[in-house]
Amino acid sequence: AQSVTQLGSHVSVSEGALVLLRCNYSSSVPPYLFWYVQYPNQGLQLLLKYTSAATLVKGINGFEAEFKKSETSFHLTKPSAHMSDAAEYFCAVSEGVSGGSYIPTFGRGTSLIVHP
Amino acid sequence: ETGVTQTPRHLVMGMTNKKSLKCEQHLGHNAMYWYKQSAKKPLELMFVYSLEERVENNSVPSRFSPECPNSSHLFLHLHTLQPEDSALYLCASSQGGTGEPSTDTQYFGPGTRLTVL
Repeated sequence: AQSVTQLGSHVSVSEGALVLLRCNYSSSVPPYLFWYVQYPNQGLQLLLKYTSAATLVKGINGFEAEFKKSETSFHLTKPSAHMSDAAEYFCAVSEGVSGGSYIPTFGRGTSLIVHP
Repeated sequence: ETGVTQTPRHLVMGMTNKKSLKCEQHLGHNAMYWYKQSAKKPLELMFVYSLEERVENNSVPSRFSPECPNSSHLFLHLHTLQPEDSALYLCASSQGGTGEPSTDTQYFGPGTRLTVL
């Protein structure tokens, strides 16, 4: 069975500061891992995904995440926060489903607050 | 029109009403999903359709009834809802079907904000 834990329901940073959003996963097979972002009054949008290629994954808007198997982690980082990064961030894990749909399990989400 | 669209964006209904939510995807995908997003709760998967066949139903109450007439359209029919059903209902699609699971990404619509009085 797969599961994902996002540490911290809220993270607050100053504009220009490092962003670190934590995600730990549990999976019985090599996982596929995703980060999605949700802006107010919108659906979720893919930021980046890990699919067993390079362990450091670069996404949109300057975000990146590193897959660490030994720590079962997939933390999301950005060197310098912008005001426009304020949103809800969701980590998701999937083991894949053969022959059909691909169904991920989502974390509870972390709200990123950026102060001027 | 591109991506995944949902209508209506907002819906207010009484407990005895019958209404439907509509989702349409313009991405040529084979799989479609309904999610419920409530405040302070994880995203809840409700239904999954792949190649127009239902493949997942996470013990959703029968007052929610999905319909997938073709691979581009997905409906959620609502009747005799409860106030606790008030939430943001999100539709998503993915390549699914014969697509490669390792690269299958979900594309979400903007959601329907449902309020049950």
